[in-house]
Amino acid sequence: GQQLNQSPQSMFIQEGEDVSMNCTSSSIFNTWLWYKQDPGEGPVLLIALYKAGELTSNGRLTAQFGITRKDSFLNISASIPSDVGIYFCAGNIYNQGGKLIFGQGTELSVKP
Amino acid sequence: NAGVTQTPKFRVLKTGQSMTLLCAQDMNHEYMYWYRQDPGMGLRLIHYSVGEGTTAKGEVPDGYNVSRLKKQNFLLGLESAAPSQTSVYFCASQLAFGELFFGEGSRLTVL
Repeated sequence: GQQLNQSPQSMFIQEGEDVSMNCTSSSIFNTWLWYKQDPGEGPVLLIALYKAGELTSNGRLTAQFGITRKDSFLNISASIPSDVGIYFCAGNIYNQGGKLIFGQGTELSVKP
Repeated sequence: NAGVTQTPKFRVLKTGQSMTLLCAQDMNHEYMYWYRQDPGMGLRLIHYSVGEGTTAKGEVPDGYNVSRLKKQNFLLGLESAAPSQTSVYFCASQLAFGELFFGEGSRLTVL
């Protein structure tokens, strides 16, 4: 079954606002990845995290690998209309090889 | 740079029909995956392969079969399609641990 809990499920925000979403699990992860999916396309990698405590930025996006290795968050600052889409967290569970487990996704809507 | 290519992009089937989805990658990746995406469910792993000639079950393998006869190709088969298999299917490839590269998806409707 689902081993990653991602929240919130959806967000409706005004352009210019900051956004925060997170993923939690009862399992320990070796990696955390954040993907974005535009309508009608496959997910594309935004940020990859490989070490507990790691904080990484990619433009207006910032993500952190939780110290406990059981959670991660993604922040988007000063949102713009093209940030619209579904954001997924994903990770490799410790001692379960390379396959990724995905969260349920956070659907982001940005009002101009 | 083709990356990961899925065919077909769209398909409509009747209940009980069979079909095969083809995934091809040109990045020499060892790992390949098939996911299905349904509203509110995220991406659920159907089957995966860690190398040519190998396959393994994921979270939701029932009703699907796969084959990895060549390193670059990963086939997903539905022997007897059911309406519950209406979904968007994504193939992905991965070098080792870390980033997955996804195809554009195949939208399947089973009537």
